[in-house]
Amino acid sequence: QVQLVQSGAEVKKPGASVKVSCKASGYTFTGYHMHWLRQAPGQGLEWMGWINPNNGATNYAQNFRGRVTMTRDTSISTAYMELSRLRSDDTAVFYCARLSSYYSDYWGQGTLVTVSS
Amino acid sequence: QSALTQPRSVSGSPGQSVTISCTGTSSDVGGYNFVSWYQQHPGKAPKLIIHDVNKRPSGVPERFSGSKTGNSASLTISGLQAEDEADFYCCSYAGNYVSVFGTGTKVTVL
Repeated sequence: QVQLVQSGAEVKKPGASVKVSCKASGYTFTGYHMHWLRQAPGQGLEWMGWINPNNGATNYAQNFRGRVTMTRDTSISTAYMELSRLRSDDTAVFYCARLSSYYSDYWGQGTLVTVSS
Repeated sequence: QSALTQPRSVSGSPGQSVTISCTGTSSDVGGYNFVSWYQQHPGKAPKLIIHDVNKRPSGVPERFSGSKTGNSASLTISGLQAEDEADFYCCSYAGNYVSVFGTGTKVTVL
């Protein structure tokens, strides 16, 4: 069965960077784009961008351009999302989600990133 | 890209029907038949319940249905059940390989 398993919670100081991983199993990793989304406490979902694991191509939402980097390691079927220059309002749960056509059919369990001095 | 507009909350008694609207523009909802809906229970990851405007994935109850008219999409829950109490989000393709989500709606079962 398809599974996306994300790395554990992180606590970071303002200005630092965080790298969240998303390990895929149960399907061909290179066959589907991977989305990343952010959800601040009590807030809605915000699309951050996607990566094509087949060739590493990326497309970032305007709000995150310049601060986000999405990469992948096909040898271990894992996608990564790194967010730099963290601010307190980056405190959120970050999700990876498999993109099937134009919708996200499988989601990771979420990774809580807390930014605090 | 601005978030799609959803009502903050809707409510209904068990067995009733509720409809959640999702309003965008001709550049997203109105321009493509790629609207999806997600249900999110507290502390859980979102779950896909509708894709491509009105298609239900396997295992999603028939009481969930989707539609679209112009720049607005809708999710209807017919025969509301206690377990339907959750947050619901719409999402639309917005061209140029960009997706945009709605502001989210809390469904309360009275």
